[in-house]
Amino acid sequence: EDQVTQSPEALRLQEGESSSLNCSYTVSGLRGLFWYRQDPGKGPEFLFTLYSAGEEKEKERLKATLTKKESFLHITAPKPEDSATYLCAVPIGSNDYKLSFGAGTTVTVRA
Amino acid sequence: DADVTQTPRNRITKTGKRIMLECSQTKGHDRMYWYRQDPGLGLRLIYYSFDVKDINKGEISDGYSVSRQAQAKFSLSLESAIPNQTALYFCATGGQGLTDTQYFGPGTRLTVL
Repeated sequence: EDQVTQSPEALRLQEGESSSLNCSYTVSGLRGLFWYRQDPGKGPEFLFTLYSAGEEKEKERLKATLTKKESFLHITAPKPEDSATYLCAVPIGSNDYKLSFGAGTTVTVRA
Repeated sequence: DADVTQTPRNRITKTGKRIMLECSQTKGHDRMYWYRQDPGLGLRLIYYSFDVKDINKGEISDGYSVSRQAQAKFSLSLESAIPNQTALYFCATGGQGLTDTQYFGPGTRLTVL
């Protein structure tokens, strides 16, 4: 069964304290992996798409990496404005246009 | 203006009432989706549509129906609302590529009493 698992569920960081979030998946024949950011009461906002193992993408203090079994979202020297829930998702089934989402990691960055 | 809009943004209703949530998009995408989000469960797909004539059930379609009135409009209905349908509802649109990302609306917070 296709499955996406994110860990930890919650992460509390001090401003400037770098850390990583994990997204593991059991989808066979991965066709891409998406990272989203979601602020409270808002819709998910697209961050990155990764297509193959070894690929990396960066945006400001965020860097996403992909292996054959998991993806990491590294947050370098976070600021309070990086506080959000981070979601990962993968296409599932025989139809490429459906996504399976993980439950998310809620990151809180204290000043 | 936002590319994906949802109305209403908040709604409180009673058990047994019929509710319609509406979604409009200006991205020109053919694909549109409805999800619900519950704490600890993540986003779950209710229905999706690849064009006006193509409607498909997602993983949790029971108790819901949809209508694709035009390329830009996709509505979700709860025929007879029940309390466990209390959730955040999101509409999303998808691009043309095989693994194009999805773009989400701001959400509707629905409470069924």
